[in-house]
Amino acid sequence: DQQVKQNSPSLSVQEGRISILNCDYTNSMFDYFLWYKKYPAEGPTFLISISSIKDKNEDGRFTVFLNKSAKHLSLHIVPSQPGDSAVYFCAASGDSGAGSYQLTFGKGTKLSVIP
Amino acid sequence: NAGVTQTPKFQVLKTGQSMTLQCAQDMNHNSMYWYRQDPGMGLRLIYYSASEGTTDKGEVPNGYNVSRLNKREFSLRLESAAPSQTSVYFCASSVQGYGEAFFGQGTRLTVV
Repeated sequence: DQQVKQNSPSLSVQEGRISILNCDYTNSMFDYFLWYKKYPAEGPTFLISISSIKDKNEDGRFTVFLNKSAKHLSLHIVPSQPGDSAVYFCAASGDSGAGSYQLTFGKGTKLSVIP
Repeated sequence: NAGVTQTPKFQVLKTGQSMTLQCAQDMNHNSMYWYRQDPGMGLRLIYYSASEGTTDKGEVPNGYNVSRLNKREFSLRLESAAPSQTSVYFCASSVQGYGEAFFGQGTRLTVV
């Protein structure tokens, strides 16, 4: 059963507009959330994160919003650039027992930014 | 800084052959992970090591074994490869398992 869900496999956005990528989770034990970006033939790279004690975190063009009551987070990219075209993975972390943490990933959303 | 280094980058195996995927990190991280990525499936955790001397199963451990050789190195072994193990394998590490994980470049494995 998927604990982290990215329901949109793909998203196309015009250059300069806002990209919004969504993620839902089911496990109430998750308390730290991350977004990763992945280009073909490369490993995922960390983009931005948010702790469950916050509802927003911003880093330049990237903002992550967390709605704990809805178990939903979103990544906003403003303005979108062609170089942002990649697969974006949502990930969540929480204590899986005895202080042991592990990242659980969604299936990813492929973002295409059209020039 | 090398970060997380995986070897080999590519490998073709015949069904039933064995091999070990190597991973090393130079960031003095405590936790290390092995993931596999399949089309439409995202990244699925195979095994992880929260700290040196410990290993635990992840979501898809069947057909794999791991060894946390020391703090730097975490290897993944396929004892008898099957076509279903054709995938891209990623090793990752993090300071304590809580927070950002750093990934290697991946190993593309094909089992024929």
